[in-house]
Amino acid sequence: AQTVTQSQPEMSVQEAETVTLSCTYDTSESDYYLFWYKQPPSRQMILVIRQEAYKQQNATENRFSVNFQKAAKSFSLKISDSQLGDAAMYFCAYRVNVLGGYQKVTFGTGTKLQVIP
Amino acid sequence: DSGVTQTPKHLITATGQRVTLRCSPRSGDLSVYWYQQSLDQGLQFLIQYYNGEERAKGNILERFSAQQFPDLHSELNLSSLELGDSALYFCASSVGVGTYEQYFGPGTRLTVT
Repeated sequence: AQTVTQSQPEMSVQEAETVTLSCTYDTSESDYYLFWYKQPPSRQMILVIRQEAYKQQNATENRFSVNFQKAAKSFSLKISDSQLGDAAMYFCAYRVNVLGGYQKVTFGTGTKLQVIP
Repeated sequence: DSGVTQTPKHLITATGQRVTLRCSPRSGDLSVYWYQQSLDQGLQFLIQYYNGEERAKGNILERFSAQQFPDLHSELNLSSLELGDSALYFCASSVGVGTYEQYFGPGTRLTVT
C-alpha cells in the first residue's frame, strides 16, 4: 500500500526567508504523480505544485519549487521569499492511476507552516 | 475559486440523524471524488464517480453512500451519524479519469453533537 509521510508537524519561517518542507512516500509503482496542496485557514485545498514521476526535472511555480529524488522516494517543497500569505497547512499527496482508470490519491498528515513577520 | 461548489457550507446535526451533502463539479468535468478530513488529519479518499457510475471506493463506511446524477452533480449521504463523523467533507472533480487534475471544492463542515 502506498503511504505518504510528512515528518514535520509544524514549521516556522521568517518573512522573506526560505523554508523546506519534507515528504517521503512509499510505492512500488514507477508511474505516479506527486503534489503539494496548501490549505489556508479558509480550509480550501489549493494545488501548489505537481511533479510527474517520469520527469527528472524538478517542478517550479514562481516561489515554489520541489526537490524530487525518485530513488530515495523523497519530495520536498521549497518556498522562497516567504510571505505572510504562505502561512497554511501543507499536504503532500501521491497519486497513481489504477487499472480501470481511476485515480487513487493518498495524502500525508500535513505540515503547519507559520510565517513570522 | 476552483469552480467546484458544495452545499451546505456548514451543517450541525445530532447523533443518529441522516444528512446529504451536495457537490456540483466544474463545468465539463465528468468525474467526482469525495474526501473526508477529520480534525488535524489529512484527507481520506471515500469514493469516486465517473459519468454516473461508481469507479472506486476508499475508506467509506457502510453507513455512507453516494451517487452521481445525470446532470453530473453528486450527493454524499451520511446516515446513523456518530460523533466521530464530524469532519470536513471535500468534493473534487476532474475532466475524466487517468491523468487529469483534481480540483477541490470549498468543503462542507459537518458537526455531529
